[in-house]
Amino acid sequence: NAGVTQTPKFQVLKTGQSMTLQCAQDMNHEYMSWYRQDPGMGLRLIHYSVGAGITDQGEVPNGYNVSRSTTEDFPLRLLSAAPSQTSVYFCASSSHGLLKGYGYTFGSGTRLTVV
Amino acid sequence: AQTVTQSQPEMSVQEAETVTLSCTYDTSESDYYLFWYKQPPSRQMILVIRQEAYKQQNATENRFSVNFQKAAKSFSLKISDSQLGDAAMYFCAYRRRQSGAGSYQLTFGKGTKLSVIP
Repeated sequence: NAGVTQTPKFQVLKTGQSMTLQCAQDMNHEYMSWYRQDPGMGLRLIHYSVGAGITDQGEVPNGYNVSRSTTEDFPLRLLSAAPSQTSVYFCASSSHGLLKGYGYTFGSGTRLTVV
Repeated sequence: AQTVTQSQPEMSVQEAETVTLSCTYDTSESDYYLFWYKQPPSRQMILVIRQEAYKQQNATENRFSVNFQKAAKSFSLKISDSQLGDAAMYFCAYRRRQSGAGSYQLTFGKGTKLSVIP
């Protein structure tokens, strides 16, 4: 099925552990991004990429790394997990129709708990 | 920086009735896009409707329509003939139209939880 695929759907980490959230899209979208959703906060942008090899920081980048080696994949790495990173993470993508105001396609989210 | 405010944390509506969700935003830009997203319990983010600020005509998508008041910086969502499947969290979002730094970022409100009463 075409769309944005995120794995895993659920994850529990211990403080200090590292992990990678995977995101893949098969729509040949140039733009990809990571958001986190916290209760009462809406969604906030962590990092984004406008094409392979190009990434930039969003509103809340601290504690996260990204890379974009292919058009399809945009993994999010937590370097040393902290309880403050407990959240639901969404990957989203769009074609350059983004510049024309078209919407984003979101993945189904990853619920991460850091204990 | 742009901000998006949804002043109604929770709303409820009787099935088949009409409900309006409020959204206001603050920006110094003159050209931008506005969106409403629906998030059902499945957690999936679903685009409901979008509005281009340079268009005066209000967007409509079947039972969903918006009331876009640019001068008042208001962007409300009206759901007509509400159905049980409309129960969800609804997020209003803003994006500037100009290219450049920050132009790809969606700024979200905190959401309104809509309940539909049978």
